Amino acid sequence: DAGVTQSPTHLIKTRGQHVTLRCSPISGHKSVSWYQQVLGQGPQFIFQYYEKEERGRGNFPDRFSARQFPNYSSELNVNALLLGDSALYLCASSLLAPIGETQYFGPGTRLLVL
Amino acid sequence: AQSVTQLGSHVSVSEGALVLLRCNYSSSVPPYLFWYVQYPNQGLQLLLKYTSAATLVKGINGFEAEFKKSETSFHLTKPSAHMSDAAEYFCAVSDLKGSQGNLIFGKGTKLSVKP
Repeated sequence: DAGVTQSPTHLIKTRGQHVTLRCSPISGHKSVSWYQQVLGQGPQFIFQYYEKEERGRGNFPDRFSARQFPNYSSELNVNALLLGDSALYLCASSLLAPIGETQYFGPGTRLLVL
Repeated sequence: AQSVTQLGSHVSVSEGALVLLRCNYSSSVPPYLFWYVQYPNQGLQLLLKYTSAATLVKGINGFEAEFKKSETSFHLTKPSAHMSDAAEYFCAVSDLKGSQGNLIFGKGTKLSVKP
């Protein structure tokens, strides 16, 4: 079975631009979470969606938004990019709402903001 | 608030030596704990998970971790290091606040294995 897939793998943007990152969960998984991993740090939680509803939001500004589609895939949008948004963005899926559930991670999208 | 502390940002061992990566957690309720491994330029791969069924948890690639409530620790060990174990390791706790369950990660420990 295919794992979590993310696109694109790499992205270069300039300050002020907008970016959309995409994630397809493991087949049958209904929950998708997004994490930001800045170089040298552990991943930080951004959003969680379960059954197409936002179930959780981390401490990120309103420039960050996300949604989950009927097929459970998800998009993360970031507006007005800042240099500090440069990071690896990881998507994770789990079968159910992720309390105690194993979250399976995709390979990530590496975003560089110049 | 729940949190995870990983002692040692960088650990270096010789091939064949014991691997010990330390993780301490803070949680007011019985936690769900995880260890993930990240190879260069890749995502995170689950090594093992603690869900209170047993205090000694066996994972993939010969790794195991022991949950010690009295010490609030969940250290990761492997009896004999291989060169292929060189990677970054993250300990995480499932955030139970608001029933979200998202993961709270430590800062990671980079493991180097010397030949």
